[in-house]
Amino acid sequence: ETGVTQTPRHLVMGMTNKKSLKCEQHLGHNAMYWYKQSAKKPLELMFVYSLEERVENNSVPSRFSPECPNSSHLFLHLHTLQPEDSALYLCASSSWTGESDTQYFGPGTRLTVL
Amino acid sequence: QQQVKQSPQSLIVQKGGISIINCAYENTAFDYFPWYQQFPGKGPALLIAIRPDVSEKKEGRFTISFNKSAKQFSLHIMDSQPGDSATYFCAASKSGRRALTFGSGTRLQVQP
Repeated sequence: ETGVTQTPRHLVMGMTNKKSLKCEQHLGHNAMYWYKQSAKKPLELMFVYSLEERVENNSVPSRFSPECPNSSHLFLHLHTLQPEDSALYLCASSSWTGESDTQYFGPGTRLTVL
Repeated sequence: QQQVKQSPQSLIVQKGGISIINCAYENTAFDYFPWYQQFPGKGPALLIAIRPDVSEKKEGRFTISFNKSAKQFSLHIMDSQPGDSATYFCAASKSGRRALTFGSGTRLQVQP
């Protein structure tokens, strides 16, 4: 595997379910991100992790819970979601040096909440 | 509040034509302006980026024009090809922050 991989690629869940999205980067980067991409809306940054420490949280509801156990893996734990949470969830990684850097995106997980 | 406004929402261009996508930003602290290209079923991929110390950057058929005083920047795709058909996003960020603020995207269709 190369680049940034995400699993599963598609997920359908009920509002009472608990599920997790997984992201893995094979680029040796030190920062990882979760974005939400909804139809007709700009990509929205959700969380940023740098060296496994959460450094940004853009007012995301607590039903989304990120976890970064090491610099290569990032999870997004989901529970009691709402239908409006249906979207494409994108993971990205970068080699953060203190300057603006290139973010490399995974293919995303298409989430549908029934 | 949308800090980066992108237009048009969709664009149809004939093969060989020039595609032009525009973005305007509000935050004068932004100092890094990338463009991302996204194909269906794929995540966005960096296409080209510019910093405000230059007014233009060209890479192959892709050119970014930057107007600091107007707080605008645009992507020009010369000799557009059907393989360029994708959604294009402009973005902006400021030094010291990892967060990218994205525009709403432009769906480009290049007709053969």
